[in-house]
Amino acid sequence: DVKVTQSSRYLVKRTGEKVFLECVQDMDHENMFWYRQDPGLGLRLIYFSYDVKMKEKGDIPEGYSVSREKKERFSLILESASTNQTSMYLCASSPPTALGTEAFFGQGTRLTVV
Amino acid sequence: GENVEQHPSTLSVQEGDSAVIKCTYSDSASNYFPWYKQELGKGPQLIIDIRSNVGEKKDQRIAVTLNKTAKHFSLHITETQPEDSAVYFCAASLLGTPLVFGKGTRLSVIA
Repeated sequence: DVKVTQSSRYLVKRTGEKVFLECVQDMDHENMFWYRQDPGLGLRLIYFSYDVKMKEKGDIPEGYSVSREKKERFSLILESASTNQTSMYLCASSPPTALGTEAFFGQGTRLTVV
Repeated sequence: GENVEQHPSTLSVQEGDSAVIKCTYSDSASNYFPWYKQELGKGPQLIIDIRSNVGEKKDQRIAVTLNKTAKHFSLHITETQPEDSAVYFCAASLLGTPLVFGKGTRLSVIA
């Protein structure tokens, strides 16, 4: 079974802190994604990566950055956490297009910024 | 870029009845349309998908239909069961690009 593991289920951080959300996948997928899920807004794409050391901005990248030093790991960084970044964060991975397109999601990290 | 609208936002059905969730998309270049189910406390999981060269696809009690001309696609669940209760998301993309999701539908199946 494909597994996408997010390091924390729940996090509480203070305003202004630098926050790291970690995601690891075990299927050797090239593509990895970070989405943010808010009630009534669905899933919105923050950043994605098609290869190691590559990153592309999604629809809502402001206030976030990412790191992909290894193929299996994709980290989301909140440079200076703010209360409006309180949300559920979902990591996903998928194989190259030629092999299929199903995106596999982690269980999510619920981040609260106080 | 792509924009996906999903309706309704909430849906309640009696056990055994059918449920239909509808989505429209804006980018005529999109050619991949998956549906995800998210149960409480879990990440979304793919339940069925369809590509633009197919008009309909079935998998047991679930089916998806696609109308490329009208740019809409629908999820049909027949003989609903309590375990179908979840949030359902439609999505659209051009293969090789990230998925764009609808806002979700919370389905409640009442026993």
